Amino acid sequence: EVQLVESGGGLVQPGGSLRLSCAASGFTFSSFWMNWVRQAPGKGLEWVAIVKQDGSVKSYVDSVKGRFTISRDNAKNSLYLEMNTLRAEDTAVYYCVGSTGWLLHYWGQGTLVTVSS
Amino acid sequence: EIVLTQSPGTLSLSPGERATLSCRASQSVGRNFLAWYHHKPGQAPRLLIHTASIRATDIPDRFSGSGSGTDFTLIISRLEPEDFAVYYCQQYADSPLTFGGGTRVDIK
Repeated sequence: EVQLVESGGGLVQPGGSLRLSCAASGFTFSSFWMNWVRQAPGKGLEWVAIVKQDGSVKSYVDSVKGRFTISRDNAKNSLYLEMNTLRAEDTAVYYCVGSTGWLLHYWGQGTLVTVSS
Repeated sequence: EIVLTQSPGTLSLSPGERATLSCRASQSVGRNFLAWYHHKPGQAPRLLIHTASIRATDIPDRFSGSGSGTDFTLIISRLEPEDFAVYYCQQYADSPLTFGGGTRVDIK
């Protein structure tokens, strides 16, 4: 059974930092592109970032460029999102998602990040 | 970027009824790289349809997708209780990948 379990969410002040983690199992992690997708309260889904199987290619939505960094460790079947200079508008549930190219196959249940003073 | 507009925003139907959901793109979606997802609050979203009309693994045949270019449709032929949820379309032809705003299917 495919499992993606996110962790690391919580309450952080504006301007602060947070690191999200995602533990993957039940599929060949190293064969998939990996993504972070978020959903702000009461809003729809928004793609945030993607990393290629070997970590050599990364891409971000414009609103997080320069502030967020996606990375992976294939030996640990883990995905990460380093989030810096957080803003109120970054408040959302963050989902870890495995994809083939841009097609999003496997989703975790999400971790909530709240940016507030 | 390709903007996806879903309609209606909310659909109120009874179990057993047919649901028709629309997704319109601001420009043609190359190779019909259009997917549909089912999402219930507190749960992981689930891939239903890709390439506009191909059902994902283990998706029942009451779900069908159609369309090409800029206009796409998801039909649920007979609503089951677990189908009451929010549905999103997503294009994966161009960067950045984008989602529609969602259609909520509620129990009438």
